[in-house]
Amino acid sequence: QVQLVESGGGVVQPGGSLRLSCAVSGFTFSRYGIHWVRQAPGKGLEWVAFINYDGNNEDYADSVKGRFTVSRDNSKNTLYLQMNSLRIEDTGVYYCAKDRSYGDNVLEYWGQGTVVTVSS
Amino acid sequence: QSVLTQPPSVSGAPGQRATISCTGSSSNIGAGYDVHWYQQLPGAAPRLLIYGDTIRPSGVPDRFSGSKSGASASLAITGLQAEDEAVYYCQSYDFSLPAVVFGGGSKLTVL
Repeated sequence: QVQLVESGGGVVQPGGSLRLSCAVSGFTFSRYGIHWVRQAPGKGLEWVAFINYDGNNEDYADSVKGRFTVSRDNSKNTLYLQMNSLRIEDTGVYYCAKDRSYGDNVLEYWGQGTVVTVSS
Repeated sequence: QSVLTQPPSVSGAPGQRATISCTGSSSNIGAGYDVHWYQQLPGAAPRLLIYGDTIRPSGVPDRFSGSKSGASASLAITGLQAEDEAVYYCQSYDFSLPAVVFGGGSKLTVL
């Protein structure tokens, strides 16, 4: 079955960096785009970033543009989110989610999330 | 302030019907972009409930249905059950940003 497993979350000081990973199984990773979505404590969902199936196209929310970088290693079935210059407002649960089909922005399957806390 | 507007809370008695609205604008839903709905149970990750405005993925009960008209969409849940208590989010795409956008979420309470 389809599985996405995030890891790499933790506690980091403002201005610091963190790299999240999303390991996938149960589908042909190299054929699908993947999104990152986050959820601040007690708040709603916020789309963060997207990378297409071959890594040649990336999109970012304005709130993270220039600070976060999404990448993927199709040989390892793994997606990454490099987060730099972290701010307190970046705190939350970070989910990776698989696109249902090319370019349709339907987040078909989600991981369980990894918690990022930015605090001094 | 979410790009898509949802009521913060909705409620209904067991067996009754609940409806959740999602209002967008001419740069997202009104532009013809599809609306998708997600259910987030307490302490869990979101789950896809409806995609392409009206399509239920396999395994989603037919008590859940979606519709769209103009710049708005709705999720209807009939035959409410206690297990339906969750937060529901609508999602679409906005070409003016450009970005995937979510509604603020609607908490459904089954009285």
